[in-house]
Amino acid sequence: SAVISQKPSRDICQRGTSLTIQCQVDSQVTMMFWYRQQPGQSLTLIATANQGSEATYESGFVIDKFPISRPNLTFSTLTVSNMSPEDSSIYLCSVERGSGSNEQFFGPGTRLTVL
Amino acid sequence: GEDVEQSLFLSVREGDSSVINCTYTDSSSTYLYWYKQEPGAGLQLLTYIFSNMDMKQDQRLTVLLNKKDKHLSLRIADTQTGDSAIYFCAERAGANNLFFGTGTRLTVIP
Repeated sequence: SAVISQKPSRDICQRGTSLTIQCQVDSQVTMMFWYRQQPGQSLTLIATANQGSEATYESGFVIDKFPISRPNLTFSTLTVSNMSPEDSSIYLCSVERGSGSNEQFFGPGTRLTVL
Repeated sequence: GEDVEQSLFLSVREGDSSVINCTYTDSSSTYLYWYKQEPGAGLQLLTYIFSNMDMKQDQRLTVLLNKKDKHLSLRIADTQTGDSAIYFCAERAGANNLFFGTGTRLTVIP
């Protein structure tokens, strides 16, 4: 498995502000993803973070609201921009090593509350 | 699109077996997964099965896949209080991302 850390683990933010969440992996991985888990619900994929190019967003998610960076094979950031209370969720990054691996591992998540 | 369904709640007595069920709609699913989420924690990958397999066993966990009915189950033998958590099934259908079910909250009664 991969050791994945996220910062911050939780935060309480004011409406209209932005928060950047970091995801760090202990080894190089091919694929990195960002998911959202709204309160009491399942996980929804926000985007695939592509190293060296723009992220690939799922339907309903746009770059202006959720800009993503992936400067190398072990690190990615997700920014939640111009936050509203509806953005209160757990945000999780996940990784796959690639090269035939079918296992996707998740970070511990960042619990965001927007007031 | 993909649709993955699970029952929301399951209660079992300690020492009994738990069976958590999942149905999915995408017949092109290649892999199906079970994840465990404990309170306040991220998701832990428990096991996964390739779509051309019927069964996979890993210690106390047994995964059964009925591809014809698009039905997946996770059996936990000798359920312990530490197994109390939310269990998510997920399918991979072509692309790298996973589609998750609604989650089943398993409560183990001592």
